[in-house]
Amino acid sequence: DTAVSQTPKYLVTQMGNDKSIKCEQNLGHDTMYWYKQDSKKFLKIMFSYNNKELIINETVPNRFSPKSPDKAHLNLHINSLELGDSAVYFCASSRADRAYGYTFGSGTRLTVV
Amino acid sequence: SQELEQSPQSLIVQEGKNLTINCTSSKTLYGLYWYKQKYGEGLIFLMMLQKGGEEKSHEKITAKLDEKKQQSSLHITASQPSHAGIYLCGVPSPGSGYALNFGKGTSLLVTP
Repeated sequence: DTAVSQTPKYLVTQMGNDKSIKCEQNLGHDTMYWYKQDSKKFLKIMFSYNNKELIINETVPNRFSPKSPDKAHLNLHINSLELGDSAVYFCASSRADRAYGYTFGSGTRLTVV
Repeated sequence: SQELEQSPQSLIVQEGKNLTINCTSSKTLYGLYWYKQKYGEGLIFLMMLQKGGEEKSHEKITAKLDEKKQQSSLHITASQPSHAGIYLCGVPSPGSGYALNFGKGTSLLVTP
């Protein structure tokens, strides 16, 4: 059973398009996150979300927006894609008290052409 | 914000050799997580250290937390090709909803 699953695994799209990446966790976790991993492999937090609040990293462009239809899902929507958005995006989840750590998805490689 | 510096940035070792990766924090460490990322894949949880002086082992990997030095070390004994990957240390960041704030990673290659 996959604990945190992301779809699609690969996404190639043209500049200016709008796209979404889906994330689902079946662990009953309270908090979900989105990270961006750049070409130098540096992992940077983009969003943190639980059922109470959304915390946005101030460096994230407002073209990026997370949407949570329910506790088990946190999807990432990206508008007007730019070349610099090309990266690997990781979804993760944890309990609110972070006991047992954080579980990561396998990543979505986004390429903007 | 709490900065984490990992050293070395990259490492090439011969199979069977021991190695150590360090993670140094700019602030007091109250807890630290180690993850491994195989090339092109997701992150695998290795260990969580919560107290100063704590040491945990899993198979041939041992991690320690030295709160006085604001540092954690990850030691691999008798390295194998399967140990290759990127090792990342991370700390929960209160300003980011307790998301993990990661160091820049240490890339490990194990040669036959």
